Amino acid sequence: DSGVTQTPKHLITATGQRVTLRCSPRSGDLSVYWYQQSLDQGLQFLIQYYNGEERAKGNILERFSAQQFPDLHSELNLSSLELGDSALYFCASSVRDGLYGYTFGSGTRLTVV
Amino acid sequence: GENVEQHPSTLSVQEGDSAVIKCTYSDSASNYFPWYKQELGKRPQLIIDIRSNVGEKKDQRIAVTLNKTAKHFSLHITETQPEDSAVYFCAAKKGPNDYKLSFGAGTTVTVRA
Repeated sequence: DSGVTQTPKHLITATGQRVTLRCSPRSGDLSVYWYQQSLDQGLQFLIQYYNGEERAKGNILERFSAQQFPDLHSELNLSSLELGDSALYFCASSVRDGLYGYTFGSGTRLTVV
Repeated sequence: GENVEQHPSTLSVQEGDSAVIKCTYSDSASNYFPWYKQELGKRPQLIIDIRSNVGEKKDQRIAVTLNKTAKHFSLHITETQPEDSAVYFCAAKKGPNDYKLSFGAGTTVTVRA
């Protein structure tokens, strides 16, 4: 157990639907990052939050949004889902400056049918 | 933003031989370079990292070298074992006000018994 908790582990949904992925960071970590990993692809950065505020944005689609709550857990909302959104979504957390690297959660595997 | 290139994309080695993966980065302000190992269906896990004030770091059979002038860093795995088979990702992080990691595309390492 890495200390970063992601739920659910698996999600199957239909095109056009909306889902919410949840992440609880490791205790003491203030930064949360979301990454998308499609089949045989690398880790594509989506968005980062630090202590409740959006800090950096990557190639995140307008259909996707995220937030970090006062208790530091984060949610990634994916709407109007398309087949191409099927992927493994990882959440990671780090201490403030990230100089000790990220700790990744186990991921949520999203399948859009 | 930071651009990290990783080579090769696939690497097959005989058990007991060495494996070397190379990465280059674009932003001279980058100061932290972690390596992650991802086994099939699992989360990426930090295996070794190096900071910009260090040229080389070793941890048992793995080592990382950094050439700041040339802006490249490498992962070396000696005496490879079947359990070293995985996807390896390099990453780079810019200065203290940029917490996010930019990842390379990954190298699939296969160790042949």
